[in-house]
Amino acid sequence: EAGVAQSPRYKIIEKRQSVAFWCNPISGHATLYWYQQILGQGPKLLIQFQNNGVVDDSQLPKDRFSAERLKGVDSTLKIQPAKLEDSAVYLCASSLRRVTDTQYFGPGTRLTVL
Amino acid sequence: QKEVEQNSGPLSVPEGAIASLNCTYSDRGSQSFFWYRQYSGKSPELIMFIYSNGDKEDGRFTAQLNKASQYVSLLIRDSQPSDSATYLCAVPRGGADGLTFGKGTHLIIQP
Repeated sequence: EAGVAQSPRYKIIEKRQSVAFWCNPISGHATLYWYQQILGQGPKLLIQFQNNGVVDDSQLPKDRFSAERLKGVDSTLKIQPAKLEDSAVYLCASSLRRVTDTQYFGPGTRLTVL
Repeated sequence: QKEVEQNSGPLSVPEGAIASLNCTYSDRGSQSFFWYRQYSGKSPELIMFIYSNGDKEDGRFTAQLNKASQYVSLLIRDSQPSDSATYLCAVPRGGADGLTFGKGTHLIIQP
């Protein structure tokens, strides 16, 4: 079974530029999550999708971050414009349905904002 | 706002000994608890989850939950150098399935 795929793996941009990350979850997984992990901290949930609907985006900085999951499969997370404090690893995870289902994480995208 | 607290360490344990990792949580209503392992430069992977008071064992790992005291712990028996990693404690955010993670405890197993 293929795991969660993410691209790109690394991205370096200047502040105020825009950037987009892509995630393809495990086939058949209805729930998709985007987490932000700053160095030395645990992952922080940004947004959760159930199929193609948003379940929780309360911690997403909506003035600069946006995310979509078209057709309930893959997803994109965008930052526009980026700030220095957005430097982090962006992790995508998926699970079958409920919280007690294991969340499988992708390899992450390491973003550096200069 | 649910919070999860962990000692960031590093926690240094000799090979073959028992490593004990602790986590406290703020929301008394939390029902389930997760332990993830994260190797340096890698993504987190689930090693245990527990939702009942008491102990849950899986191989060398034992999760212990005490809801009255609001703490959950992870014991690793016969620690191996390959157990050296950051261990993240997490609880569901409530109302949805996303997780609130602690900062993690950096565990070092000394050969």
